[in-house]
Amino acid sequence: NAGVTQTPKFRILKIGQSMTLQCAQDMNHNYMYWYRQDPGMGLKLIYYSVGAGITDKGEVPNGYNVSRSTTEDFPLRLELAAPSQTSVYFCASSPGTGGIWFGSGTQLSVL
Amino acid sequence: GENVEQHPSTLSVQEGDSAVIKCTYSDSASNYFPWYKQELGKRPQLIIDIRSNVGEKKDQRIAVTLNKTAKHFSLHITETQPEDSAVYFCAASPDKAAGNKLTFGGGTRVLVKP
Repeated sequence: NAGVTQTPKFRILKIGQSMTLQCAQDMNHNYMYWYRQDPGMGLKLIYYSVGAGITDKGEVPNGYNVSRSTTEDFPLRLELAAPSQTSVYFCASSPGTGGIWFGSGTQLSVL
Repeated sequence: GENVEQHPSTLSVQEGDSAVIKCTYSDSASNYFPWYKQELGKRPQLIIDIRSNVGEKKDQRIAVTLNKTAKHFSLHITETQPEDSAVYFCAASPDKAAGNKLTFGGGTRVLVKP
């Protein structure tokens, strides 16, 4: 099992550009999440999904969108990138009880 | 929503000494409390967890205690080693209810000095 796979690992965007962060898991987990981690800070929940076709907002959803068309994939879309979105983005998945497992992260800079 | 506070924000200990990190949570519905370790540039990794029907759990040199009445839980690392140096995060969740969303504390940077 590869676990949770995120692409790309690094990306630099210009202000106003858009991009999609990809996330896939092969553990057949129903629950998936997107967190962001600002430098020296904790993790903040952006969006989460409890199954294909179901998504909901977390703590900091503004400026982001998600979709969940399959159990495996949970892409995060950034529209009109802003410097405040410079962060490390972690995708994670869970079987629904217990801990969540993180991908290796995407480091995003918006300049 | 849930709010998790973590103290201290930094902790420096001598190798072989013990380290204790404390967290408080606000939502009485939370019943699952994991701890994650994050090394520099890496993903957070689950190291131990505890549920609200248990007061203490141990795994080799690490242990977690929970006081549900006071809404606080702690991580204890004994006989610290240089490889324990990392950032540690506590978290709280209502488990399967509400999507098993974890709310994280702000993190504790632990430095173990040889």
